[in-house]
Amino acid sequence: GAVVSQHPSWVICKSGTSVKIECRSLDFQATTMFWYRQFPKQSLMLMATSNEGSKATYEQGVEKDKFLINHASLTLSTLTVTSAHPEDSSFYICSARDLAQGIGNTIYFGEGSWLTVV
Amino acid sequence: AQKITQTQPGMFVQEKEAVTLDCTYDTSDQSYGLFWYKQPSSGEMIFLIYQGSYDEQNATEGRYSLNFQKARKSANLVISASQLGDSAMYFCAMRVSLTDSWGKLQFGAGTQVVVTP
Repeated sequence: GAVVSQHPSWVICKSGTSVKIECRSLDFQATTMFWYRQFPKQSLMLMATSNEGSKATYEQGVEKDKFLINHASLTLSTLTVTSAHPEDSSFYICSARDLAQGIGNTIYFGEGSWLTVV
Repeated sequence: AQKITQTQPGMFVQEKEAVTLDCTYDTSDQSYGLFWYKQPSSGEMIFLIYQGSYDEQNATEGRYSLNFQKARKSANLVISASQLGDSAMYFCAMRVSLTDSWGKLQFGAGTQVVVTP
């Protein structure tokens, strides 16, 4: 089946610095990717929709200047957490849909990235 | 607005027994999709089963089956013959929009399942 790869799996950064997380569709093209955040013991919450070649669409309450999303190619979307603070520590996970497979279960998740800000 | 509700925060189930995880949803769309995912402590989201709103048959995938009751807006997951490796968090999710290339999902709160020997 289709594969979405996310990197890095784990990252620790200092407060005030920026960190970039990559999401790649390995064997299909994804014009749209999705970024979710999950705090411990909670559900996944959609942060934004990443659109290839255009601006991302952010969900209500998500700061677009803090969570920069770039979708420069059909296989890569990046999420940059800028000026990270300890409260940004969370599990971030991306997903993508393989349009070539039609409707149905064609949504694939990356492995997720654990971010710890110290 | 769409909504997914999982009312069971946690469940214990004995090995080899069956377990039903509840999921109800609310949407005004006629066309939608319902998913179940398993999330072990490692964090990965493992797809289990999918049900389209127009599918007349209940979906099945190995030991997983989805009890789809459209009129009641419920999509319960049944795991038969539980195994120790089934211990994980389980999420029900719904595809929420005809736009966004059908990729955007809304998740329920999740149910933590612990399988005991």
